[in-house]
Amino acid sequence: AQKITQTQPGMFVQEKEAVTLDCTYDTSDQSYGLFWYKQPSSGEMIFLIYQGSYDEQNATEGRYSLNFQKARKSANLVISASQLGDSAMYFCAMREEGWKGAQKLVFGQGTRLTINP
Amino acid sequence: DTEVTQTPKHLVMGMTNKKSLKCEQHMGHRAMYWYKQKAKKPPELMFVYSYEKLSINESVPSRFSPECPNSSLLNLHLHALQPEDSALYLCASSFRTSGVGKFSDTQYFGPGTRLTVL
Repeated sequence: AQKITQTQPGMFVQEKEAVTLDCTYDTSDQSYGLFWYKQPSSGEMIFLIYQGSYDEQNATEGRYSLNFQKARKSANLVISASQLGDSAMYFCAMREEGWKGAQKLVFGQGTRLTINP
Repeated sequence: DTEVTQTPKHLVMGMTNKKSLKCEQHMGHRAMYWYKQKAKKPPELMFVYSYEKLSINESVPSRFSPECPNSSLLNLHLHALQPEDSALYLCASSFRTSGVGKFSDTQYFGPGTRLTVL
């Protein structure tokens, strides 16, 4: 069974600092996708960034980058120049092949990030 | 545009009521999902529809009944719910249910419906 581990239940960071949120995964699949989502207190899950298992370069989307280390099975999210609006719960997730070819997302337990002014 | 809409935003219902949650997307996505999320927990998958057919049912109690009338619309019919069913219900969609890559894989979520069962 596939598994996602986020070891940091909560993190506190000063505004404008960079922050790294940890994510390790466990899978025997050769082809998989890794995702990060942000969930503010309003509840909506906002897609941030995607990394495919065969992608040779680390994914980047604006201030978000994914530090993908395949051999270590880690996919850490890096947020540069943090802002107050970055305060939210962050989930790491992995695509899992389900039956009938349908896909399931397996989520980690999340990290609550608080940005201090 | 990656918008998924959900109505209502909040819902309070008694254990004998029948209500429905609605989800809509106009991105041409052919896969739609229902998730349940309890406080401080990750979302849990309930149902997956692929090309308007039910593809995955994660052993969800029959008091939850999904329906996909067309490729843009997904409903969740609720009947005889229990207080422990109170949660945030999230709808999501993706281009396909199978495939590789950001384009086919990524699930886009709606803002959710906060359900309280009294």
